[in-house]
Order: sequence, then structure tokens, then C-alpha cells
Amino acid sequence: AQKITQTQPGMFVQEKEAVTLDCTYDTSDQSYGLFWYKQPSSGEMIFLIYQGSYDEQNATEGRYSLNFQKARKSANLVISASQLGDSAMYFCATPIQGGSEKLVFGKGTKLTVNP
Amino acid sequence: GAVVSQHPSRVICKSGTSVKIECRSLDFQATTMFWYRQFPKQSLMLMATSNEGSKATYEQGVEKDKFLINHASLTLSTLTVTSAHPEDSSFYICSARLTPNTEAFFGQGTRLTVV
Repeated sequence: AQKITQTQPGMFVQEKEAVTLDCTYDTSDQSYGLFWYKQPSSGEMIFLIYQGSYDEQNATEGRYSLNFQKARKSANLVISASQLGDSAMYFCATPIQGGSEKLVFGKGTKLTVNP
Repeated sequence: GAVVSQHPSRVICKSGTSVKIECRSLDFQATTMFWYRQFPKQSLMLMATSNEGSKATYEQGVEKDKFLINHASLTLSTLTVTSAHPEDSSFYICSARLTPNTEAFFGQGTRLTVV
């Protein structure tokens, strides 16, 4: 079964600086996708960015970009120009198995942006 | 983007009573929805897959008689926590996806407190 590992329980960053949140995955599928979600203290899950395993380019969405290194099985999220509102939990996720709609999540990283 | 609405956002109930949580897809039809549970400072754990018109499939270790799932229409899935006890207190969140390779849309979540 697929597995997501997020090794940083907490990260701190100064406002306006960039931060990288780590995510490694373990999969036997040839085709898979990786998702990043943000969960503020209110609890809702906000989709940030998606990377397909066959995508040639690293995904980008505004201030979010994905540093996808397939050989290393890592899909790190980079947040540029951090804002105070970026303080939240961040989860990396992937389908439980290829083509499945079920997602398995990492343990998450709590990001705190300091003014 | 697609919207999933979950209600109620918070509920406090007495031990031994049952609580129903609704999850609606507002602008698309969801033949499959997913229910997750999240304990404080932990990740989301998939509880069950809700299938429109058929029985839900539960993940290992989840009591199907405790957590009743009904998916009577293409836009509504309900989770009923029966005979709730304090250990059932948790954050419950539903999700639906348009296709296996697109992001999951989450409801706002329900914070259940059993007293």
C-alpha cells in the first residue's frame, strides 16, 4: 500500500521568506498523483497543488510550487513569499492505489509564519 | 471549483445518543464520497467509502454498526454516529472527487464532542 512520510512535525519561517515542506512517498504504481492540502485551525481542507507522476514539469500554483524528484520519491512543497495567513497544517497525500479515489495522508507539518 | 458542504460544523451530544452528519455535493454528482476522522494534532484517517445506492465499504478497524453511512442520492451522504461515547469525540470530514486524478473536495468538517 502507498505510504506518505512527512518528517517535519513543525516548521517556522519569517514572513516574506520561502519555505520547503518535505514529503516522501512509497508506491509500487507506475502512474500516481501527489496532492498537497492546507488545513487552517478552522479545520477545512484546502487543496493547494497536484503533481502527476508523468508530468514533465514541476507543478506551480501561484506562490506554491512542487519540487518533484521522482527518482528520490519526493514531492516537496515550496511556499514562496510566506504570509501570516499561511500558518496552518499542511498535508501531503496520494491515492491508496493507482486509480483509487481514496487518499492516504501523511502526518502533516505545522507551519508557523512569524512576522 | 466543486463545492462540498458538510453540516453541522459543530455538535455536542450526550453519551448514548446518536448524531447525524450530512455531506452534500452542491454542484456535481458524487457517486462516491469518503468519510475521514481526525483526532487532535493527527492526520486524516479514512473511515469508509460511501457508495450511492449500495452499502458503504469500511476500512479495517472501523465499526460499521457504530458509524452508519447512507448514500441515498447522488448529492448526499450521511454519517450517523450511533450510541455515541466520549471516545467518539473527534473531527469528522467528508470528501468527494470528480475523477480519480483530480483533487478531492472536502466539506468543512464536523467537530463532534460527546459529553
